[in-house]
Amino acid sequence: NAGVTQTPKFQVLKTGQSMTLQCAQDMNHNSMYWYRQDPGMGLRLIYYSASEGTTDKGEVPNGYNVSRLNKREFSLRLESAAPSQTSVYFCASSPGPLNTEAFFGQGTRLTVV
Amino acid sequence: GQQLNQSPQSMFIQEGEDVSMNCTSSSIFNTWLWYKQDPGEGPVLLIALYKAGELTSNGRLTAQFGITRKDSFLNISASIPSDVGIYFCAGRFSNTGNQFYFGTGTSLTVIP
Repeated sequence: NAGVTQTPKFQVLKTGQSMTLQCAQDMNHNSMYWYRQDPGMGLRLIYYSASEGTTDKGEVPNGYNVSRLNKREFSLRLESAAPSQTSVYFCASSPGPLNTEAFFGQGTRLTVV
Repeated sequence: GQQLNQSPQSMFIQEGEDVSMNCTSSSIFNTWLWYKQDPGEGPVLLIALYKAGELTSNGRLTAQFGITRKDSFLNISASIPSDVGIYFCAGRFSNTGNQFYFGTGTSLTVIP
């Protein structure tokens, strides 16, 4: 079972470059999430999509955009990468917005130089 | 954002010992979760708690939802090497909300 798949696993960007992190889930979940994980900070929610067609800001949305392409896919875009966006990014999904059983992908380690 | 303070920050224990860690919040939460993260992997949900005072077990793991609703505790009994990892607490204000706030994690090392 694939579960939640993130691509790429590693990426190095120059300041100002743009990129899109891809996430897909095969569990027919309605809700999907993007988190970033920084040392000593725990995981912080960037954006979430409670259901197909909706997206909402989380705790740290500045500098990011998201697209819920369809029920399976939820992408995170950095339009102009900054060193402060160096982090590990996790995508997660859950059956619904009220459901606490969130399944996480393996993460994307992004470095902005 | 909300601050969830987890302690201890790291633990080094002998195999077979029991482990206790806790998480405190400045706000009242309606849901508490405990996750474990292995190196290079995403977090995996261990236990979910929904009511103040609730005590829930998952094998050798036991977690409690604090009476004040501002804290939660996780205990691991008879630790084994595969318990190594980072343990995160997470809390949510309302059962209708989507946003969970995560603690800073407790790194556990089990010495065989």
